[in-house]
Amino acid sequence: DSGVTQTPKHLITATGQRVTLRCSPRSGDLSVYWYQQSLDQGLQFLIQYYNGEERAKGNILERFSAQQFPDLHSELNLSSLELGDSALYFCASSSRDRSNYGYTFGSGTRLTVV
Amino acid sequence: SQKIEQNSEALNIQEGKTATLTCNYTNYSPAYLQWYRQDPGRGPVFLLLIRENEKEKRKERLKVTFDTTLKQSLFHITASQPADSATYLCALANTGNQFYFGTGTSLTVIP
Repeated sequence: DSGVTQTPKHLITATGQRVTLRCSPRSGDLSVYWYQQSLDQGLQFLIQYYNGEERAKGNILERFSAQQFPDLHSELNLSSLELGDSALYFCASSSRDRSNYGYTFGSGTRLTVV
Repeated sequence: SQKIEQNSEALNIQEGKTATLTCNYTNYSPAYLQWYRQDPGRGPVFLLLIRENEKEKRKERLKVTFDTTLKQSLFHITASQPADSATYLCALANTGNQFYFGTGTSLTVIP
């Protein structure tokens, strides 16, 4: 157990639907990062939050949004889902002393859009 | 455009040998470079971080080098074991704290 909790582990939904993925960071970590991993793209950085504020955006589609709540958990919302959104979605968190410990990843949510 | 390239072909080596994985990058000026291990269906696990002003870092059987002139990092696993079989990812961060990952190299250690 890495200390980063992601739910649900698996999600199957239809095209056009909306889903919410949830992440609880490791205790004490203020930063949360969302990544998408598909077979042909590798790990793609989507978005970062730090202590409730959006800090950086990567290759995140406009149909996707995220937020970080006061208790530091984060949610990634994916809407108008397409078949190509099927992927593993990872959340990671980092401590203040990020230079020594890197990111801690959760075990991911596998999204299948049918 | 920015690119992070790792050995695209899978690497197969005999148990006990040294595995060497390569990470090349273009159009980045990374402050940090990290290596992660990822097993199928699992999240990446952090292994080592090296800063731009460090040439080499070691941790047990792992060694990472970082050459900012060549824009390359090498990741070595000495005395490799079948349990080392996994995909290894390199990741770069610029001045921000967002890491961008390579596509990874699959390593198989043959008993």
